[in-house]
Amino acid sequence: QQKVQQSPESLIVPEGGMASLNCTSSDRNVDYFWWYRQHSGKSPKMLMSIFSNGEKEEGRFTVHLNKASLHTSLHIRDSQPSDSALYLCAASKPSGSWQLIFGSGTQLTVMP
Amino acid sequence: EAGVTQSPRYAVLQEGQAVSFWCDPISGHDTLYWYQQPRDQGPQLLVYFRDEAVIDNSQLPSDRFSAVRPKGTNSTLKIQSAKQGDTATYLCASSRDSQAPLFGEGTRLSVL
Repeated sequence: QQKVQQSPESLIVPEGGMASLNCTSSDRNVDYFWWYRQHSGKSPKMLMSIFSNGEKEEGRFTVHLNKASLHTSLHIRDSQPSDSALYLCAASKPSGSWQLIFGSGTQLTVMP
Repeated sequence: EAGVTQSPRYAVLQEGQAVSFWCDPISGHDTLYWYQQPRDQGPQLLVYFRDEAVIDNSQLPSDRFSAVRPKGTNSTLKIQSAKQGDTATYLCASSRDSQAPLFGEGTRLSVL
């Protein structure tokens, strides 16, 4: 059973629109969440991380975390075609090394 | 700063053949990870090292896969007798302290 579940599997939004991606961990031992973006044929690149309850904003990207439900969400406002990519959520336990457990990802397509 | 370097970029094998993947992490990064990413899925951790020591290899199919990092720098992942189900991209990542793992561009393996 996948320990990190992402939804939706795929998402299409118009250019300039808002994209909302969800992620939940079924492992109650995790404490940290990460969002990576992977363009086709490229390596995953870390977008944002969140460790505390609440919200974190960086430019057009906002991440929310609810530690009680182990749910995190990523919101992209003013989406651009260059945002089209596979968005991967990962969870890890508090430890000296980041042993990331990834979900299957959400494939985002931004239509011009 | 140079990124994580992997070679080869592509490999095509017949079932039963052996293959090795090589990874040069970012200088100073003590932790090195190997992930397997099947097509349209998220990366799955195979093994990770801190310096030359294996920290967790519980997800590494030990009958056919092996990984070493003898001097705590470069690492090699080997598949002894490849199967079609091994078709995937093999990603190496490295990190230090509390930084998020940084990924290389990966090796795309096709087993025919």
